[in-house]
Amino acid sequence: QVQLVQSGAEVKKPGASVKVSCKTSGYSFTSYPIHWVRQAPGQRLEWMGWINAGNGNTKYSQKFQGRVTISRDTSARTAYMELSSLRSEDTAVYYCARELEVTYFDYWGQGTLVTVSS
Amino acid sequence: SYVLTQPPSVSVAPGQTARITCGGNNIGRKNVHWYQQKPGQAHVLVVHDDSDRPSGIPERFSGSNSGNTATLTISRVDAGDEADYYCQVWDSSSDSWVFGGGTKLTVL
Repeated sequence: QVQLVQSGAEVKKPGASVKVSCKTSGYSFTSYPIHWVRQAPGQRLEWMGWINAGNGNTKYSQKFQGRVTISRDTSARTAYMELSSLRSEDTAVYYCARELEVTYFDYWGQGTLVTVSS
Repeated sequence: SYVLTQPPSVSVAPGQTARITCGGNNIGRKNVHWYQQKPGQAHVLVVHDDSDRPSGIPERFSGSNSGNTATLTISRVDAGDEADYYCQVWDSSSDSWVFGGGTKLTVL
């Protein structure tokens, strides 16, 4: 069965970077894009960007452009999201999700809590 | 950017029908997808492309979309349906995915 399993919770200081992983199984990794979405406390889900797991092409939300890097390791069947220059407002649960053929997200990871605090 | 508006909460008695709305400017022209999230669990797609159900989702879940409102309808609600529900569309003007604020469904 399709599974997306994310790395564990992180605590970071302002100005630091965080890298969250999303390990997949149960399907052909390179055939489906992976998206990253976050949800800050009391806020709505916010799309951050995506990666074509086949060719590595990426696209980022304007809001995060310059601060986010999405990458993948095909041999490890894993996607990564790195967010730099962290500030307190980046405290959120970060999710990865698989996109089905330029349509919608059919499977999600369980989420990774990133806390930014001095 | 495109804004999706959902009621923060909806309450319904067991066996009744819950209707969760998602408002947006001419949302009827977009494909709307709905996700369910129970506490401590991953999001689950319950309706895609306005009204299609993925395999494994009960027929009690249905969707519609017209004008400025999309609606997720859950018939014969039971305690297992308690969750947060989110709508989602692709906004071509900003080239990004947009989500509603989420609706907490409470089964009384």
